[in-house]
Amino acid sequence: DIQMTQSPSSLSASVGDRVTITCRASQSIGRFLNWYQQKPGKAPKVLIYAASSLQSGVPSTFSGSGSGTDFTLTISSVQPDDFATYYCQQSFGAPQMYTFGQGTKVDMK
Amino acid sequence: EVQLVQSGAEVKKPGQSLKISCKGSGYSFTSHLIGWARQMSGKGLEWMGLIDPEDSDTRYSPSFQGQVTISADASINTVYLQWGSLKASDTAMYYCALLAHSYVDTDVDPHKYYFLDVWGQGTAVTVSS
Repeated sequence: DIQMTQSPSSLSASVGDRVTITCRASQSIGRFLNWYQQKPGKAPKVLIYAASSLQSGVPSTFSGSGSGTDFTLTISSVQPDDFATYYCQQSFGAPQMYTFGQGTKVDMK
Repeated sequence: EVQLVQSGAEVKKPGQSLKISCKGSGYSFTSHLIGWARQMSGKGLEWMGLIDPEDSDTRYSPSFQGQVTISADASINTVYLQWGSLKASDTAMYYCALLAHSYVDTDVDPHKYYFLDVWGQGTAVTVSS
């Protein structure tokens, strides 16, 4: 099974800060990596698919990069609406094996 | 608008059975795989498995194989998640999600990239004696 490890588990940021979250896969997954945002009491929402493709409607302050085993999600300038938990998910191989990272909570400093 | 609408919250006792539902609308129901994810209170997302509503081909994550059953009724655009005998440890929020795909650069990259594009609102399941 492919394990996904995110870091950090949590971070504090101020509005306007640049924030970077990393996700590491236990084996190479090419660009088969998605990022989701989840707010308390709500369903997740896809931000980035295929490592760096921005989903329609997602602000351009979000970007993704990486391939192979190491990936990053960057928020170039954190806005009040961005305080949430972020998950990476690998979509390599059989669809029943798609696994999530453990999540990174971004809260207000 | 593409939507997945899930059934309401459930409170059950250990050993009881349960079937929750996820109804799709606004798209061709048999054109997309639908999956389920579990989220225990204060914890992360766990991928459980998925179904192809066109032929009911179902696949489970090893962690959930034998623990739950995923099924579909394409005639009413609905996917189900069911338990035969609930345990307290099944207490969680359950989300259904539609698996979409996209190509990113067909000149150099022929792959289909799958992602969970539309999510249901979640169904809270509480199992307590």
